[in-house]
Amino acid sequence: KQEVTQIPAALSVPEGENLVLNCSFTDSAIYNLQWFRQDPGKGLTSLLLIQSSQREQTSGRLNASLDKSSGRSTLYIAASQPGDSATYLCAAYASGGSNYKLTFGKGTLLTVNP
Amino acid sequence: EAGVAQSPRYKIIEKRQSVAFWCNPISGHATLYWYQQILGQGPKLLIQFQNNGVVDDSQLPKDRFSAERLKGVDSTLKIQPAKLEDSAVYLCASSLYSGSYEQYFGPGTRLTVT
Repeated sequence: KQEVTQIPAALSVPEGENLVLNCSFTDSAIYNLQWFRQDPGKGLTSLLLIQSSQREQTSGRLNASLDKSSGRSTLYIAASQPGDSATYLCAAYASGGSNYKLTFGKGTLLTVNP
Repeated sequence: EAGVAQSPRYKIIEKRQSVAFWCNPISGHATLYWYQQILGQGPKLLIQFQNNGVVDDSQLPKDRFSAERLKGVDSTLKIQPAKLEDSAVYLCASSLYSGSYEQYFGPGTRLTVT
């Protein structure tokens, strides 16, 4: 059974700092890994999707890496801004019995202080 | 392109009452998902539809939860009777097809059972 863990559970940084969020998964046989952002009271917004054949994806100030062999992914946020404050979730897409499904971590609550 | 629509956004009911949630996926998306997100947890897949057929409902508490997607477009998730532990955000998502395709999430319905 796939399990996804995110560390740290919460992170508070000053504006302008570069930061890394960590995600680990137990079953390396994944098809892709997706990073989401969730604002309070809102749904999930997809940030980056990394296919299993890829090592990283970049979008603006965000860079996500994937190391299947070690079961790890990181989300790097450059020059953080107060508007980046949100919960960041990673999810691994893999076989879950009879179906392929997304398994989510519990998220990292990021606060960027002005 | 319009996103995934959900209604209502908020619902408060007493235990043992019934409740229904509605979801309209992105136009042309064949696959529709319902997730349950309990406070402090990542979303958990309840049921997945491919067009109007069920692909996976292994984590749906079938004694009280039901869902349908009769015309292969919009979907309804029902809880009857509700329990206190059903308090959560219910998220609907859609993707072009099943498989390792990116999922797009709606804003969610926050259910409080008292």
